Amino acid sequence: GESVGLHLPTLSVQEGDNSIINCAYSNSASDYFIWYKQESGKGPQFIIDIRSNMDKRQGQRVTVLLNKTVKHLSLQIAATQPGDSAVYFCAETSSNTGNQFYFGTGTSLTVIP
Amino acid sequence: GAVVSQHPSWVICKSGTSVKIECRSLDFQATTMFWYRQFPKQSLMLMATSNEGSKATYEQGVEKDKFLINHASLTLSTLTVTSAHPEDSSFYICSASRIGRGPDTQYFGPGTRLTVL
Repeated sequence: GESVGLHLPTLSVQEGDNSIINCAYSNSASDYFIWYKQESGKGPQFIIDIRSNMDKRQGQRVTVLLNKTVKHLSLQIAATQPGDSAVYFCAETSSNTGNQFYFGTGTSLTVIP
Repeated sequence: GAVVSQHPSWVICKSGTSVKIECRSLDFQATTMFWYRQFPKQSLMLMATSNEGSKATYEQGVEKDKFLINHASLTLSTLTVTSAHPEDSSFYICSASRIGRGPDTQYFGPGTRLTVL
């Protein structure tokens, strides 16, 4: 059976617009953060990562921002495409706790053509 | 490179039976493998950390006698759901950390959907 729990926040954007997905993390000792993309029925796919000694990192069409003061992470996707439609999760880990990943709630992104 | 597979991809079983899920790193050796479960429209929840040749470390609230983990080699970890019940129906995902890379790096499998009738 299905457990009762929070449902994913959703975000809808027009194709070509920029998307911003936010994530709040809980452990102030976390020193490594990763964004994953998950399509329906598939495992998570790595997008971009950032270490705690940085506050911004850019990839191809994606940028991750880290604000350690308020324990907030964001993923910016430039020129969003229909293929970007998926659920996006942030994950946090700490190098002194065995490198287990703990995932955030996730955001469901829908790109409108 | 860095491909992780799971088998089976989908399994349906009767209540009370046991189900084994395999996680393999196909082209690398994994120091550590992790098992997660995911309910529909929810996030991934870490169940346990599995190191080759040693006992798995379970997260709080996860029954180790119900979810048996064996990490027999550097490329294979198995999760056995014993005496499965409908509430165990979920999407089970494994990941693997790669030897020689930073321990932070995890590569995820495609997941196994378990349905218990």
